[in-house]
Amino acid sequence: DADVTQTPRNRITKTGKRIMLECSQTKGHDRMYWYRQDPGLGLRLIYYSFDVKDINKGEISDGYSVSRQAQAKFSLSLESAIPNQTALYFCATSDARDTGELFFGEGSRLTVL
Amino acid sequence: GQNIDQPTEMTATEGAIVQINCTYQTSGFNGLFWYQQHAGEAPTFLSYNVLDGLEEKGRFSSFLSRSKGYRYLLLKELQMKDSASYLCAVMDSNYQLIWGAGTKLIIKP
Repeated sequence: DADVTQTPRNRITKTGKRIMLECSQTKGHDRMYWYRQDPGLGLRLIYYSFDVKDINKGEISDGYSVSRQAQAKFSLSLESAIPNQTALYFCATSDARDTGELFFGEGSRLTVL
Repeated sequence: GQNIDQPTEMTATEGAIVQINCTYQTSGFNGLFWYQQHAGEAPTFLSYNVLDGLEEKGRFSSFLSRSKGYRYLLLKELQMKDSASYLCAVMDSNYQLIWGAGTKLIIKP
């Protein structure tokens, strides 16, 4: 089983719908991240959390919200999905003691029609 | 703004050597990272340089010389399975990773 698990892996939805992407990890890491990946662009950070009580906005947080329900769980919500949120979304974790090695989930491909 | 530049695509022959360069403009520097991403899969960590020098991991090496402006990933004895995108990322002064768009490496027999 994967150390970082994302659900759903694929989702097609309509404009205006609320969508939640879930991430759970068994690595015991404190830090969790949500990124989106678009063709021709680098990974862009949406939100990150260094522990359960710590939530921080990333580069492109508008239109997204997150919840850190436990050390192992970090969910991303799109309150009202729009077509330009169509992308591949990755959850990642890192050990607070390390400097930047991230462990990624398998990705969630979201299509907003 | 902060920016990472790397070639969009490179082609190499099986068994050969390829060098993928990365240039950056960031607010501060706390390390340069390389990740491999096969099509449709998650990125996986390859290497990390914060001090000048060479980091070797099997057929893959990453080199950093900040004073001379050299930053690259070197792949030796290329295999077909090395066909993937290679992502360069720099950790800035706020310890945030800034990512390049990736270099798609195509290996031909």
